[in-house]
Amino acid sequence: QSVLTQPPSASGTPGQRVTISCSGSSSNIGSNTVNWYQQLPGTAPKLLIYSNNQRPSGVPDRFSGSKSGTSASLAISGLQSEDEADYYCAAWDDSLNGRGVFGGGTKLTVL
Amino acid sequence: EVQLVQSGAEVKKPGESLKISCKGSGYSFTSYWIGWVRQMPGKGLEWMGIIYPGDSDTRYSPSFQGQVTISADKSISTAYLQWSSLKASDTAMYYCAKTWDPTTVTVFDYWGQGTLVTVSS
Repeated sequence: QSVLTQPPSASGTPGQRVTISCSGSSSNIGSNTVNWYQQLPGTAPKLLIYSNNQRPSGVPDRFSGSKSGTSASLAISGLQSEDEADYYCAAWDDSLNGRGVFGGGTKLTVL
Repeated sequence: EVQLVQSGAEVKKPGESLKISCKGSGYSFTSYWIGWVRQMPGKGLEWMGIIYPGDSDTRYSPSFQGQVTISADKSISTAYLQWSSLKASDTAMYYCAKTWDPTTVTVFDYWGQGTLVTVSS
């Protein structure tokens, strides 16, 4: 059971806009920033969004992040086949002397 | 170019010890945290712990405290993850990753290629 809750799956057709949610609590998302990672099949995770809504250089602006209260969202617009991957949210959790926590992951399928 | 190169796949028996490594290059190894992340077969990512090679400050997730040891040798820019007595449930891919900056320990901008650890009798 992950501390951050994500839907296990999401899907969309090419060109569509999809969103992936990440729900937490006051000890993690409510008081710390959220980051998002993309993991393509058989590869290491890649940083997609940091500090709620910042994109590292090289990440297309089709990817955007937002946070409100104890929830966060990742939006992907203009969906492409190469976006098919697992997506994870992450944050610091202030409970239990502090620890990093990931969401359970969302598998995005491009139909 | 920033690189994190991890040691190769391991096959071990229950009860054996193991130490895997992660060598950093292309950046100041002592100025950024190195984290370890577990991914069990077909499962999600789990934050295990982090170390700041500059002073060896180490933090563990409660789930992994006492189960593994994280260390670093800054003289050779290498971080380690070790077990004293492996269990079958330790079978997983283990990733190391460096933080974006010294203050944000959940933002990992560069990742190693992963080390697959298989524990089986």
